[in-house]
Amino acid sequence: NAGVTQTPKFQVLKTGQSMTLQCAQDMNHEYMSWYRQDPGMGLRLIHYSVGAGITDQGEVPNGYNVSRSTTEDFPLRLLSAAPSQTSVYFCASISATNYGYTFGSGTRLTVV
Amino acid sequence: QQQVKQSPQSLIVQKGGISIINCAYENTAFDYFPWYQQFPGKGPALLIAIRPDVSEKKEGRFTISFNKSAKQFSLHIMDSQPGDSATYFCAAGNSGYALNFGKGTSLLVTP
Repeated sequence: NAGVTQTPKFQVLKTGQSMTLQCAQDMNHEYMSWYRQDPGMGLRLIHYSVGAGITDQGEVPNGYNVSRSTTEDFPLRLLSAAPSQTSVYFCASISATNYGYTFGSGTRLTVV
Repeated sequence: QQQVKQSPQSLIVQKGGISIINCAYENTAFDYFPWYQQFPGKGPALLIAIRPDVSEKKEGRFTISFNKSAKQFSLHIMDSQPGDSATYFCAAGNSGYALNFGKGTSLLVTP
């Protein structure tokens, strides 16, 4: 089935560790975004990409890096995990024709 | 600065009633206003969206009302059902790929 695949679904990290959250889409969408969701805060944009090789910062980019080497993949890297990065992370693939978002099922990250 | 303000934070409606969620935005350049529905443990899913050239859009039991001059838009769920119990997010943007989301409304529809 077409869609957005996020891995892992759950992860526990120790403070200072690094990791990469994977996101892949098979809808051939040019646009992709990463959001974090915290209780009572809605979804906040971390980084986004409008095509392979093009990325930009969103509302809360500090502590995160992204790259977009292919249209399909948009990994999110945590450089040095902090407890403040405990959150649920959603990747979205976006249609450039109607702006419809398809979200992945999320990665629940806990930093201890 | 929060770009999109959503209210109420939570809502309880009886089965068959009308659920109303409101949002307000600041940036007059926004031209795309979607609503998302999220069930526990799932990612948000697009419910319905509107552009500022129309004042209302209806899809089944879901209606968006849009007031450009007041910079407000709302979601109406007619004949609310227990299966509608979820968290609803409004959003606004002018590029599609960088949406600003409201903080969400937790809707509970009681039998």
